[in-house]
Amino acid sequence: DAKTTQPTSMDCAEGRAANLPCNHSTISGNEYVYWYRQIHSQGPQYIIHGLKNNETNEMASLIITEDRKSSTLILPHATLRDTAVYYCIVRVIIQGAQKLVFGQGTRLTINP
Amino acid sequence: DADVTQTPRNRITKTGKRIMLECSQTKGHDRMYWYRQDPGLGLRLIYYSFDVKDINKGEISDGYSVSRQAQAKFSLSLESAIPNQTALYFCATSPGFVYNEQFFGPGTRLTVL
Repeated sequence: DAKTTQPTSMDCAEGRAANLPCNHSTISGNEYVYWYRQIHSQGPQYIIHGLKNNETNEMASLIITEDRKSSTLILPHATLRDTAVYYCIVRVIIQGAQKLVFGQGTRLTINP
Repeated sequence: DADVTQTPRNRITKTGKRIMLECSQTKGHDRMYWYRQDPGLGLRLIYYSFDVKDINKGEISDGYSVSRQAQAKFSLSLESAIPNQTALYFCATSPGFVYNEQFFGPGTRLTVL
């Protein structure tokens, strides 16, 4: 399984864009990049996922480099409620089952 | 009402006791999962189930067993709890499609003394 590397923590000012990087240099062709976040020991919440094209939804944008070895999650206008641990996950399909491998994540703090 | 519920939300037990954690979902999803989370760490997969008749081990299944009683219910058992099973346990569900998000329950905080 591909492993991901994320900074342990980051800070961002409220109202600014938060850019969370993730390295996944061993990713292979059939592995998707998923982002989840966890707010204070609640169940993780899905944010976005992608394979090789950039993706955008109502929560965030995902930018994946052309070689797919890294990606960046962008929260365009961060609010205090975006303070959470953000997990970058490379998901692999094994016998039809999706397997999410969580790392330690990035603790993002949004400051007023 | 929440789509994925877990009971109990908190439990303190003693070493050697049998414990069952229950998960119910109203989302109609075929696939269900059990994860554990230790302090400061990410989630690790214990077991997952495609449907009632299909149960698979995850990366850390030793010391745990599961039962899929119905599409909506997936239980995790610790036959003889030990202190290093103290953790936050999450249940999750996903649709039968391969490329879909997982929906997590609120978690059960288990302490084994």
